[in-house]
Amino acid sequence: ETGVTQTPRHLVMGMTNKKSLKCEQHLGHNAMYWYKQSAKKPLELMFVYSLEERVENNSVPSRFSPECPNSSHLFLHLHTLQPEDSALYLCASSDRGSTDTQYFGPGTRLTVL
Amino acid sequence: QKEVEQNSGPLSVPEGAIASLNCTYSDRVSQSFFWYRQYSGKSPELIMSIYSNGDKEDGRFTAQLNKASQYVSLLIRDSQPSDSATYLCAVNHRPMNSGGYQKVTFGTGTKLQVIP
Repeated sequence: ETGVTQTPRHLVMGMTNKKSLKCEQHLGHNAMYWYKQSAKKPLELMFVYSLEERVENNSVPSRFSPECPNSSHLFLHLHTLQPEDSALYLCASSDRGSTDTQYFGPGTRLTVL
Repeated sequence: QKEVEQNSGPLSVPEGAIASLNCTYSDRVSQSFFWYRQYSGKSPELIMSIYSNGDKEDGRFTAQLNKASQYVSLLIRDSQPSDSATYLCAVNHRPMNSGGYQKVTFGTGTKLQVIP
């Protein structure tokens, strides 16, 4: 596998369910990101991990819980979500170098019923 | 609130024409600027980055930056139907080479339609 992968690609869950989104990057990067993309809204930065340490949390509700066990893997644990949380969740990674480029995964399309 | 503003479009241009996409941003200290292309149902892919005032050319794409006016633009020459997508302007608020990671604000995107 190359680049940034995300699983699952599609997820439907009820408001009482607990699920996790997984992201894996094969680029040797050391920063990873979670974004939310809703219809008619800009991409919203949710969390940033740099060298496995959470460095940004953009006022995200606690029903979203990120985890970064190592520099290649990033999880987003979901529990008691609301229908308005339905969106495309995108993972990205970047390197500490000067290129400043983020590479995005294909995303997980989440529907909360 | 750091903002990035784009006209949502759609911007329709005939095949072979120049498409001009514009973006303004509010955070004066921003140093890194990006244009991403996003096809429907797909994730964003980087097509241009620019850090200094002036123009930067890459193939059919030219990015233009004017920090005094807080303005970034993307020109697509010889537009092709395959260029039809949403173009996202993005601004990194962290200084370049600050180490570790970016903190990026995206615009809502401009939908471009290239008519054959």
